[in-house]
Amino acid sequence: KAGVTQTPRYLIKTRGQQVTLSCSPISGHRSVSWYQQTPGQGLQFLFEYFSETQRNKGNFPGRFSGRQFSNSRSEMNVSTLELGDSALYLCASSLGQGRLAPLHFGNGTRLTVT
Amino acid sequence: QKEVEQDPGPLSVPEGAIVSLNCTYSNSAFQYFMWYRQYSRKGPELLMYTYSSGNKEDGRFTAQVDKSSKYISLFIRDSQPSDSATYLCAMSSRNTPLVFGKGTRLSVIA
Repeated sequence: KAGVTQTPRYLIKTRGQQVTLSCSPISGHRSVSWYQQTPGQGLQFLFEYFSETQRNKGNFPGRFSGRQFSNSRSEMNVSTLELGDSALYLCASSLGQGRLAPLHFGNGTRLTVT
Repeated sequence: QKEVEQDPGPLSVPEGAIVSLNCTYSNSAFQYFMWYRQYSRKGPELLMYTYSSGNKEDGRFTAQVDKSSKYISLFIRDSQPSDSATYLCAMSSRNTPLVFGKGTRLSVIA
């Protein structure tokens, strides 16, 4: 079974631009979560989707947004990029809506903002 | 106080040693406890998953949860160079997303 696929793997953007990251969950998984990973803060929760509905949102500014499609694939968008947005963005999928199903991560998209 | 505290290391041990990795947490509502392993340039990979207090063993790995002390541990027996990675503890409650520790970087020296 294929794992969580994230595209692109690497991205370089300029401050002020916007970016869209894509995530394809494991087949059959309906829940998708996004995390930002930086050396200083570790993994920080961005948002979680289940059946196209946002269930939870982390403490990030409104420049960070996401959505989930009917096939469970998800995208996240960051507008007006800042240098501090440079990070590894990780997508994870899980089987169910509840917390009993653990998260399975992709290998992330490394975003560098210059 | 951060919700989840984890010693960042780095931790360096000889091959064959027993490794102990630990996290403390402050939110008594946490019920689900996980350990992830992350290799360089890869996403976190689920190692162990436990619910509430107690021990769980899987091969060379043992996870312990002590809810009364708000303390979880991961033990690695007979450590191998291939165990060299960053280990992340994570936990959640029924209504909250997974919260991670910052990770402990482990090096196992052959």
